[in-house]
Amino acid sequence: AQKVTQAQTEISVVEKEDVTLDCVYETRDTTYYLFWYKQPPSGELVFLIRRNSFDEQNEISGRYSWNFQKSTSSFNFTITASQVVDSAVYFCALSGGDTDKLIFGTGTRLQVFP
Amino acid sequence: SQTIHQWPATLVQPVGSPLSLECTVEGTSNPNLYWYRQAAGRGLQLLFYSVGIGQISSEVPQNLSASRPQDRQFILSSKKLLLSDSGFYLCAWSVRLRETQYFGPGTRLLVL
Repeated sequence: AQKVTQAQTEISVVEKEDVTLDCVYETRDTTYYLFWYKQPPSGELVFLIRRNSFDEQNEISGRYSWNFQKSTSSFNFTITASQVVDSAVYFCALSGGDTDKLIFGTGTRLQVFP
Repeated sequence: SQTIHQWPATLVQPVGSPLSLECTVEGTSNPNLYWYRQAAGRGLQLLFYSVGIGQISSEVPQNLSASRPQDRQFILSSKKLLLSDSGFYLCAWSVRLRETQYFGPGTRLLVL
């Protein structure tokens, strides 16, 4: 069975702090895809990144970076120098096998205070 | 560029009333379409997906149904709403299987 665990329910930081959101996944598929989405207060899910299981190279996009480690089944997300606009719920998700279904974690609510 | 629309944005309905939520995608052809529900404290759950007109796959047996009458239109329906149908309904699209799913703005449904 596929599963995504985001153990951090809520994180609060002060602006300019770095913050890491954890994501641990379970799957028996050899080919799978991992995603991060951001859900601001408006509710819309905003796509951030997609990574396939054969690409373990870490990625940086501006203040965002992702650390994919198959050995620990983790796909962690770091925001450097956080800003108030980063406040949102962040979801990690997994898809794999012969299904197109996205399995979401329960989300981590990030609050960045000025 | 592609855009996805959902309406209504917010809906308050009495128990037992019918439901129709609509989702349309612009700027692409033959997209895969999805309906998800986000219930309070229960995360996001896939309800239905469609790979083409008239082709609907159901993930969770429930009080809801979906239809795809046109290539870029996806409709979520119910004949009689239950209190447990309350939630935030999100439509999504992708180019093909296992590609990134892009989400619409969502519909907040409150059943009283």
